[in-house]
Amino acid sequence: EDKVVQSPLSLVVHEGDTVTLNCSYEVTNFRSLLWYKQEKKAPTFLFMLTSSGIEKKSGRLSSILDKKELFSILNITATQTGDSAVYLCAVLYGGSQGNLIFGKGTKLSVKP
Amino acid sequence: DAGITQSPRHKVTETGTPVTLRCHQTENHRYMYWYRQDPGHGLRLIHYSYGVKDTDKGEVSDGYSVSRSKTEDFLLTLESATSSQTSVYFCAISEFTGELFFGEGSRLTVL
Repeated sequence: EDKVVQSPLSLVVHEGDTVTLNCSYEVTNFRSLLWYKQEKKAPTFLFMLTSSGIEKKSGRLSSILDKKELFSILNITATQTGDSAVYLCAVLYGGSQGNLIFGKGTKLSVKP
Repeated sequence: DAGITQSPRHKVTETGTPVTLRCHQTENHRYMYWYRQDPGHGLRLIHYSYGVKDTDKGEVSDGYSVSRSKTEDFLLTLESATSSQTSVYFCAISEFTGELFFGEGSRLTVL
């Protein structure tokens, strides 16, 4: 069965901490892995990763993919209260237009 | 922000009644999707469309139907709503598969 597993499910940190969120997957015909951030409403796109070992970076957020070990990590450095959100990992797999399967998310709470 | 509008944003209905949710986009994106989001389950794909009149089932399609008669509109219909269909429904669009842009969500409560 195709699946995406995120860990931890929830995390509480203080401002300034660095956090690492994990996403592992088991799918047939992997194509890419995506990270989304969801605050109160709609998920917003963060990164798409296709190749192993190439870090994607945006400000304090960065992510990397390991296609051999079938996982990705999302790092957030110097966390701020505005980083509090649910972070979703999704994997695009299969042929043709592909299928996108989401993990259940990691809820990050950043305390002042 | 991508131009995606969902309507209605909130709806309360009774078991057995039909419900239609509408997704409207102004981006001319090819792909459109309907997801539901429930605690403990994350986002699950209901149906998707890869062009006008071209649709396919997702992971949790039972009890739902969709239609796409125009590029900009994707309708999700619950023919006879059940309490298990109480959820938040998200429409999403993309031009390239994977990089989705989501609407603001429609909260449906079936009593």
